[in-house]
Amino acid sequence: QKEVEQDPGPLSVPEGAIVSLNCTYSNSAFQYFMWYRQYSRKGPELLMYTYSSGNKEDGRFTAQVDKSSKYISLFIRDSQPSDSATYLCAMRENDYKLSFGAGTTVTVRA
Amino acid sequence: DGGITQSPKYLFRKEGQNVTLSCEQNLNHDAMYWYRQDPGQGLRLIYYSQIVNDFQKGDIAEGYSVSREKKESFPLTVTSAQKNPTAFYLCATTGGLYEQYFGPGTRLTVT
Repeated sequence: QKEVEQDPGPLSVPEGAIVSLNCTYSNSAFQYFMWYRQYSRKGPELLMYTYSSGNKEDGRFTAQVDKSSKYISLFIRDSQPSDSATYLCAMRENDYKLSFGAGTTVTVRA
Repeated sequence: DGGITQSPKYLFRKEGQNVTLSCEQNLNHDAMYWYRQDPGQGLRLIYYSQIVNDFQKGDIAEGYSVSREKKESFPLTVTSAQKNPTAFYLCATTGGLYEQYFGPGTRLTVT
C-alpha cells in the first residue's frame, strides 16, 4: 500500500464548476500538508500549505485536512480553463522529506 | 530574477552513457533535492543535500550520483547503472517551513 493515495483521474468539468480533489494517507505522523499544481511539462508550483486539521482558504482555493480520517481535500471554486493541470498532494512529518500522491489530472472545459 | 533553473529542458542520450543534469538556485536556500517523476507514480526522491559538501540518498538513489560543492548548485549525474533512466527530473529547494519550490524540470530520454 502506498503511503499517500490519490486518484489519478482524469477529471473533466465544465467552466464554473467546483473541482474536488482528495488524498488519503496511512502515516499518522504526517503533520504538514501541501497541494501543488503542475502544468504540462513544467515543474510543480506550491498552491496551498496547511499544518492543522480544518480549512484554509485562498481566493478560489480551499484546502481541508481531517487528520482523524487521514484525508485531505482541495476545492477549486468557479473553475477556469487555466486551472487545467495536474494537482499533486504532498505531506510530511516534522522534517524535510515530502511524500507525494500520484497526482490528479484536471481538465476544465470552456 | 530569483528562482531555480534547470538545464537543459530536453536531453537525449544513448544507453550506456553517463549524463549530468544541472540545477542552479539564487534563492540562498540551504537544502536542495532531486526528484524523478514517472507517469502515474508521483515524485520520488533521488538525493538531497541540506548543506554544502554533504548529501544523502533518497528512496531511489541507485544509479545516480550528486555533488554539492557550492550552495547554488546541485548537479545530478545519471549513470549507465540506472536501469530505466528515461523520466522527468525535478530539482527543488526548501524555503521557510520546509515548503519546497521546484525548478522547471529536465526531460531525459535514453534510447
